[in-house]
Amino acid sequence: EVQLVESGGGLVQPGGSLRLSCSASGFTFSSYAMHWVRQAPGKGLEYVSAISSNGGSTYYADSVKGRFTISRDNSKNTLYLQMSSLRAEDTAVYYCVKDLRYGSALYYFDYWGQGTLVTVSS
Amino acid sequence: EIVLTQSPGTLSLSPGERATLSCRASQSVSSSYLAWYQQKPGQAPRLLIYGASSRATGIPDRFSGSGSGTDFTLTISRLEPEDFAVYYCQQYGSSSSLTFGGGTKVEIK
Repeated sequence: EVQLVESGGGLVQPGGSLRLSCSASGFTFSSYAMHWVRQAPGKGLEYVSAISSNGGSTYYADSVKGRFTISRDNSKNTLYLQMSSLRAEDTAVYYCVKDLRYGSALYYFDYWGQGTLVTVSS
Repeated sequence: EIVLTQSPGTLSLSPGERATLSCRASQSVSSSYLAWYQQKPGQAPRLLIYGASSRATGIPDRFSGSGSGTDFTLTISRLEPEDFAVYYCQQYGSSSSLTFGGGTKVEIK
């Protein structure tokens, strides 16, 4: 059974930093692109970032470019999102998401974690 | 960036009725890169349809997707009680941009 378990969320002050982790199991983690998608409270979905299966290629939404860094450790089956210079508008539930396709990314998301809440407030 | 506009914002229907949800793109979307998701309160989204019309694993055949270009539709042929939720469309474009629509809430009438 595929499982994605996020951790690392919490309350942080504007301008602060936070690192999210996502522990994956139930599939060959190193063979799939992975993504982060966020959802502000009571709002819709917003795509944040992607990383290829081997970590060699990354993508960021304009809203987080230069502030967030996605990475992965395939030996630990773990995905990360390092967030810095956080703003109030970054407040959201952050979901760790698995790509549908084995190998190269197809940008469809077939498994989602339960999400971790990041609150940016003073 | 391609903007996806979903309509209606809210759809009030009874169990057993047919639901038709619309997703309109600001510019043409490759059918290979249009998906639909269902989200229930307090839960993560669930992939229903990808490639505009392919059902994801385990999705009942009462869910179907259609459309091309700028107009896409999700149809639920007969609403079951568990289908009342929010539905999002999503596209992935050639410039590596990925966007979601604002969502349609299907509520019990």
